[in-house]
Amino acid sequence: SSELTQDPAVSVALGQTVRITCQGDSLRSYYASWYQQKPGQAPVVVIYGKSNRPSGIPDRFSGSSSGNTASLTITGAQAEDEADYYCNSRDSSGNHPVFGGGTKLTVL
Amino acid sequence: QVQLQQWGAGLLKPSETLSLTCAVYGGSFSGYYWTWIRQPPGKGLEWIGEINHSGSTNYNPSLKSRVTISVDTSKNQFSLKLSSVTAADTAVYYCARNDIVVVSAAMADAFDIWGQGTMVTVSS
Repeated sequence: SSELTQDPAVSVALGQTVRITCQGDSLRSYYASWYQQKPGQAPVVVIYGKSNRPSGIPDRFSGSSSGNTASLTITGAQAEDEADYYCNSRDSSGNHPVFGGGTKLTVL
Repeated sequence: QVQLQQWGAGLLKPSETLSLTCAVYGGSFSGYYWTWIRQPPGKGLEWIGEINHSGSTNYNPSLKSRVTISVDTSKNQFSLKLSSVTAADTAVYYCARNDIVVVSAAMADAFDIWGQGTMVTVSS
């Protein structure tokens, strides 16, 4: 089992706001990054560090963190946001990257 | 525009050694950790290990006994070898660049560039 826990599935109505969470003790010491993966494609980083968005990622994607929980928020979800989302941080030793189990986002 | 291109054998028999190579085009090879990540069919991502331009490596403890990652800086390439494969090693294998960032004394990984992925199937 992963040291980072995500809900397996989340749904959101088109245009509404959705929060995807990631829990783990290491998140008290390390930031999370978030990756979007569409079927048959490699993952794409959408948020890294405190809440940094790579160029080309829409500003409807944002990140936050509190205690042992990191969150990815999509404000005004679009149909093209339907994908699997993975969080990534460090294991309890801090020496190795780990990924959460992933959350499948459905846009209704 | 940095690009990663990977290649290697896609079909292996149990007990054989998986071998993949990833070439880095269009950017600096130093200052990053070059990483292998895999994804079994229908499952999540698993970090395998990483190497920097100096050859310093870091492996997933669960795979460490079977994994070797090496680098050829003259070609801007890095490679993965995974020995004694079984069906459980069947997965899409990705190479990726980790641009580790430090913000307010806390760090975060940032796998910002990915290869196209290679499907590796282990079957007798």
